[in-house]
Amino acid sequence: GAVVSQHPSRVICKSGTSVKIECRSLDFQATTMFWYRQFPKQSLMLMATSNEGSKATYEQGVEKDKFLINHASLTLSTLTVTSAHPEDSSFYICSAGQGQAQHFGDGTRLSIL
Amino acid sequence: QKEVEQDPGPLSVPEGAIVSLNCTYSNSAFQYFMWYRQYSRKGPELLMYTYSSGNKEDGRFTAQVDKSSKYISLFIRDSQPSDSATYLCAMGGSGNTPLVFGKGTRLSVIA
Repeated sequence: GAVVSQHPSRVICKSGTSVKIECRSLDFQATTMFWYRQFPKQSLMLMATSNEGSKATYEQGVEKDKFLINHASLTLSTLTVTSAHPEDSSFYICSAGQGQAQHFGDGTRLSIL
Repeated sequence: QKEVEQDPGPLSVPEGAIVSLNCTYSNSAFQYFMWYRQYSRKGPELLMYTYSSGNKEDGRFTAQVDKSSKYISLFIRDSQPSDSATYLCAMGGSGNTPLVFGKGTRLSVIA
């Protein structure tokens, strides 16, 4: 149980493109989902907390207009990287809260050329 | 002092060895403690979840929590090459608040 699906797993696109990443909890409902960014050989860096039906809470230093988060249902949150640039290239991972535990998707590797 | 401290390793052990991974923390409000395993290019996978001091065992894995010392451990018995991964400790308070993660320890089990 507790499966989180993240799509797409890999994106390669040109600079200036906007990219949408989906995070779905498949077998449970999640009022809260989290978005992380991870650089090679580094730990997870929390970007924002996504709450169903309300605005996301962003961590300090994360641009709200750059990383748009929508949590329209109890099973889906989306992260849109707007006008992506090479410095946005990274591994983005979502997680969905179930009780006190968090269950993670398999991540999206974003490469901006 | 960071909220959660974890030695990043890398840690290299022979197959069959007992592995001990540890984290210390400073926030006494933490009530829930987890260990995640992350393979390269994958998301973290929940291995163990505890909320009280003491030991919890699941197969070859044992999670240990000592709240008085603010110290948690993960033991892996009879380690296998397939256990080679990064292990992250995580802890949290209550409700749907973000977990605080350690930096992760890279483990290599050599056949």
